[in-house]
Amino acid sequence: EAGVAQSPRYKIIEKRQSVAFWCNPISGHATLYWYQQILGQGPKLLIQFQNNGVVDDSQLPKDRFSAERLKGVDSTLKIQPAKLEDSAVYLCASSLRGSPLHFGNGTRLTVT
Amino acid sequence: DAKTTQPNSMESNEEEPVHLPCNHSTISGTDYIHWYRQLPSQGPEYVIHGLTSNVNNRMASLAIAEDRKSSTLILHRATLRDAAVYYCILGTDSWGKFQFGAGTQVVVTP
Repeated sequence: EAGVAQSPRYKIIEKRQSVAFWCNPISGHATLYWYQQILGQGPKLLIQFQNNGVVDDSQLPKDRFSAERLKGVDSTLKIQPAKLEDSAVYLCASSLRGSPLHFGNGTRLTVT
Repeated sequence: DAKTTQPNSMESNEEEPVHLPCNHSTISGTDYIHWYRQLPSQGPEYVIHGLTSNVNNRMASLAIAEDRKSSTLILHRATLRDAAVYYCILGTDSWGKFQFGAGTQVVVTP
């Protein structure tokens, strides 16, 4: 079984620039999550999709972050404009209902 | 959301058992206890989960207190590969809306 794929693996941008991350979940997994993990902290849920609908985006900073999951498969997370405090690892995870989460290895974003 | 409390770090010798405690005094009746671990430069991976009864799988065992206010993850024989941050999380079984804490950093010494 192929795992959750994320790209790019690393990204360095200047503040006020925009950036996008891509996630391809495990085939057949209806639920997809984006987490933000700041160095030294546990992952923080940003948004949860069920198929292509949003289940929970209460912790997504909507003034600068956006996410979409077209056709209920791949997903992209965008930050525009980026701030220094957005430097973190962005993790994507997917799951079947009632089953454990499968995480990708994340995209490490550095904002300078 | 119910919160969990874990020690910041624990150290173990290789091939010895590791007992990782987790307190969750505000757990609700529908909350499952989930454990994930995160190796360096990787995303978290599932370890085990349970509701009321103790659980065993190939990776670990989960011992749940009778009042469910605490639990212990048991790694039976620690290896160097078990060095990771271990997260104890409460959540329903269905949707995995997990709020991770800071976890416990496990250090395994040869």
